[in-house]
Amino acid sequence: AQSVTQPDIHITVSEGASLELRCNYSYGATPYLFWYVQSPGQGLQLLLKYFSGDTLVQGIKGFEAEFKRSQSSFNLRKPSVHWSDAAEYFCAACTTSGTYKYIFGTGTRLKVLA
Amino acid sequence: EPEVTQTPSHQVTQMGQEVILRCVPISNHLYFYWYRQILGQKVEFLVSFYNNEISEKSEIFDDQFSVERPDGSNFTLKIRSTKLEDSAMYFCASGGETYEQYFGPGTRLTVT
Repeated sequence: AQSVTQPDIHITVSEGASLELRCNYSYGATPYLFWYVQSPGQGLQLLLKYFSGDTLVQGIKGFEAEFKRSQSSFNLRKPSVHWSDAAEYFCAACTTSGTYKYIFGTGTRLKVLA
Repeated sequence: EPEVTQTPSHQVTQMGQEVILRCVPISNHLYFYWYRQILGQKVEFLVSFYNNEISEKSEIFDDQFSVERPDGSNFTLKIRSTKLEDSAMYFCASGGETYEQYFGPGTRLTVT
């Protein structure tokens, strides 16, 4: 069955430190991949997406993600975290045919220490 | 920039009542979706809608749920007889040809 896994439920980093959030997918073929951020009580904001091509994608707010086919991973990174980055981060994937429904990971809650 | 809108932002209803959640997708999009997120949990797919019919639905989307695109602009999710466990944030999304979905801000449904 298709699935998206985010192994880390909670991550705490200090402001200014680097960040990596992990995401692994299990699909028959390489899916389209996305990272969303959700602040408490808010909707989903798209950070970045991967469809094809360059495996390192740049997103908003200084985030980037690297697609690694051999590891079925699409990890999100940021070189220097700001206190405003504290939120929940969701990785999502969709098939490249059919209904294009998204399957979301369980999310990683990021806490930033001042 | 065009966006998906949803109304109401918060709906409180009593168990057993019918609710209709409304969404206005981006105008030239062809694919429409409903997702839900129970508090503290992940976002789950409910249903996709294309060419005026359901193209896929999840196990959650049972006979109590229905979707409609009544007038070519709105996209609605109806829950016929709400249960306590239907309390969640419901997100509408629409997509065009690039498979990227644009999400609305959500409707928080509280069933008491």
